[in-house]
Amino acid sequence: AAGVIQSPRHLIKEKRETATLKCYPIPRHDTVYWYQQGPGQDPQFLISFYEKMQSDKGSIPDRFSAQQFSDYHSELNMSSLELGDSALYFCASSSPSGTQYFGPGTRLLVL
Amino acid sequence: GQQLNQSPQSMFIQEGEDVSMNCTSSSIFNTWLWYKQDPGEGPVLLIALYKAGELTSNGRLTAQFGITRKDSFLNISASIPSDVGIYFCAGADTGTASKLTFGTGTRLQVTL
Repeated sequence: AAGVIQSPRHLIKEKRETATLKCYPIPRHDTVYWYQQGPGQDPQFLISFYEKMQSDKGSIPDRFSAQQFSDYHSELNMSSLELGDSALYFCASSSPSGTQYFGPGTRLLVL
Repeated sequence: GQQLNQSPQSMFIQEGEDVSMNCTSSSIFNTWLWYKQDPGEGPVLLIALYKAGELTSNGRLTAQFGITRKDSFLNISASIPSDVGIYFCAGADTGTASKLTFGTGTRLQVTL
């Protein structure tokens, strides 16, 4: 069965650079969620979109923005990167009444 | 904010043993889910619980949604080496389409 696709899987950036993470949800899933997981931590909710509109917002820094496109894929844009942004970033997708299924994640390292 | 406390934090067990872990919350959730995460990978859904008091099984896994809606437990019977990983509980407020609040995780290691 098709799963959530995330790209890139690994990303290395320097401080103050920008990064764009992409998420392709499971076909026919219209809701996407972004989570950040620091080393040894549990995933923390950042932001979610339903039918291309932001549906909920968590602890997402103002330096980050995200959107969902007409084909339901989503992008997380991260600017002015800091060392503390180094983490695993997960995207999950669900149907409106469905359960969240997670992608394999993007490992971001900020040097 | 909401907090989910998971226990134990880690456990070492022998192959064939049964495992039990639980999750408690300071507030009510309407949905409880259990995920397993391997290092560097995304959480994989194990069991979803939608009603208070619900008891659900998935193979060797059994989970229950506490009657108070503030807790849940996961049991793994007859553990095998591939059960190694980190197990997270997660709660959702208003249905499964809402954001998840994760527990602190239980690291399981299985020895032969």
